[in-house]
Amino acid sequence: GAVVSQHPSWVICKSGTSVKIECRSLDFQATTMFWYRQFPKQSLMLMATSNEGSKATYEQGVEKDKFLINHASLTLSTLTVTSAHPEDSSFYICSASVQRAAGVTYEQYFGPGTRLTVT
Amino acid sequence: SQKIEQNSEALNIQEGKTATLTCNYTNYSPAYLQWYRQDPGRGPVFLLLIRENEKEKRKERLKVTFDTTLKQSLFHITASQPADSATYLCALWMDSSYKLIFGSGTRLLVRP
Repeated sequence: GAVVSQHPSWVICKSGTSVKIECRSLDFQATTMFWYRQFPKQSLMLMATSNEGSKATYEQGVEKDKFLINHASLTLSTLTVTSAHPEDSSFYICSASVQRAAGVTYEQYFGPGTRLTVT
Repeated sequence: SQKIEQNSEALNIQEGKTATLTCNYTNYSPAYLQWYRQDPGRGPVFLLLIRENEKEKRKERLKVTFDTTLKQSLFHITASQPADSATYLCALWMDSSYKLIFGSGTRLLVRP
């Protein structure tokens, strides 16, 4: 259980174009999803917290107009990198929290990640 | 702000030995401390969660300890196997901001 998928697993795009990454919880409902980016040999940096049906909360320094997040349902969140530039090339990973009947638990289940390369 | 320190140098051990990884943090103790495994080019996989009122947690060959006085967690893998080779991330759950903060991870290499 608690499987999270991401699509695509990798994408190459030209500078100036937009790219959409999908994150789905396959066997559970996720009221909260998180988006991270990770540079080589570095830790995960939280970009934003996405709550179903409401606006995402962005971390300091993350441009909300550049990284558009939509959490349309309890099983789907999307991240759109708008007007991508080479410096946006990174590994993007989503995760979802499992909310249990007895209360919220805080382990997160991660997707496999999306490697974005902007040329 | 909360900082998490994990040994950036790779830990290289012989198969069958016990691997011990360290996670130190500054400032206040989190309600939860978690350990994840990450393989190259993949997302992290949740391993164990330990609460601030728990001193030890076990799961199969894995053991985690949590010392809020030392502000430290130790992660042990007993009878290590080459398949345990990966990067292990420590993460703290921040109740105040409802988010996880990750350490930079320690790479474990288990030699056959």
